[in-house]
Amino acid sequence: DAKTTQPPSMDCAEGRAANLPCNHSTISGNEYVYWYRQIHSQGPQYIIHGLKNNETNEMASLIITEDRKSSTLILPHATLRDTAVYYCIVKRSQGNLIFGKGTKLSVKP
Amino acid sequence: NAGVTQTPKFQVLKTGQSMTLQCAQDMNHNSMYWYRQDPGMGLRLIYYSASEGTTDKGEVPNGYNVSRLNKREFSLRLESAAPSQTSVYFCASSEDGARPSYEQYFGPGTRLTVT
Repeated sequence: DAKTTQPPSMDCAEGRAANLPCNHSTISGNEYVYWYRQIHSQGPQYIIHGLKNNETNEMASLIITEDRKSSTLILPHATLRDTAVYYCIVKRSQGNLIFGKGTKLSVKP
Repeated sequence: NAGVTQTPKFQVLKTGQSMTLQCAQDMNHNSMYWYRQDPGMGLRLIYYSASEGTTDKGEVPNGYNVSRLNKREFSLRLESAAPSQTSVYFCASSEDGARPSYEQYFGPGTRLTVT
């Protein structure tokens, strides 16, 4: 599975959009980009995933570049409850997710 | 739906003791997983079960055994606990682990301390 690179930490003002980048330059054609988050020490929470096209759901939007080498997770109106560690994961085959250290997002009032 | 449930929530063991962590899902998922998370680290896969009746090793299987009891339940056993197994253990399930388009859903975790 392809490796991902994320900044270790980011800050965002409450009510503003949070844009979390992820680099996955070695991604191959059949690999999906997944985003999870982990609030404090709770179980990871699924956010969104995509293959080629941009995706949007009730939680977030996922923008994948045309060459698929990077992506951005967008939380449109961040709240204090969005403070968490966000993991970008590239997933191809048999189930398991390979977690890196993620980006610690701090939403500040 | 309760989703993925895990018991117990907390456990303290002495070195050499054994215990079984229980996991159940009510989403009719075929695939189930056990991960561990050490402080400041991402999750690492211990074992997984692609479907009922099958189990396979993940990244860090040493010191653990698993049982896929039925489609709903997947247990993790520590036969002789060691301090290095102090960690938070997460169970997860997925509709079809063989297809990368299906997301995994995680339980709340079991916090295990081995003294």
